[in-house]
Amino acid sequence: EAQVTQNPRYLITVTGKKLTVTCSQNMNHEYMSWYRQDPGLGLRQIYYSMNVEVTDKGDVPEGYKVSRKEKRNFPLILESPSPNQTSLYFCASSFGVVGGYTFGSGTRLTVV
Amino acid sequence: GQQLNQSPQSMFIQEGEDVSMNCTSSSIFNTWLWYKQDPGEGPVLLIALYKAGELTSNGRLTAQFGITRKDSFLNISASIPSDVGIYFCAGQYNALNFGKGTSLLVTP
Repeated sequence: EAQVTQNPRYLITVTGKKLTVTCSQNMNHEYMSWYRQDPGLGLRQIYYSMNVEVTDKGDVPEGYKVSRKEKRNFPLILESPSPNQTSLYFCASSFGVVGGYTFGSGTRLTVV
Repeated sequence: GQQLNQSPQSMFIQEGEDVSMNCTSSSIFNTWLWYKQDPGEGPVLLIALYKAGELTSNGRLTAQFGITRKDSFLNISASIPSDVGIYFCAGQYNALNFGKGTSLLVTP
């Protein structure tokens, strides 16, 4: 089944403890992206990747890192999480920049 | 990213009613997309529009790409309880820009 898989689905962590949210897609998509969803703010792009080893900042990149060493994987890294990064995170992928994206099921992160 | 204004913010309707929501922008887009998000899940693509003036249907859903390329609307006819969710518009020139969503509640 064609899908975008995120792990974990839920995560509670403490301020400053490094964490990684994994994202994997099995559709051979070149374009991958991370969004965060907050009440009243909709979906905001954190980082995106046009292809392997090509990443760029979205609208809200502060406090996040990404890597794209393989086409299928696009992990989101929080080196020193803070409470304002408590949010619902979505990974998405598509064949190209233009067109519909396939979203993962989300990761609900709470930083205390 | 570009600012998209999506309205209404929420709708509370009875089963069987038709629904209309729209999205406007100050910028032009090459693509308009409509997504639905069920509780606890990621957004799922409903309709994609690639040409100004294009009118596309997907079952009870109909969406149009505005002639000015700065707006789009989504209509849902004869709503049913499973239509409940948050509907997002998204406009694309390079990056994909999302509206803030329309929350739809349908009572039986």
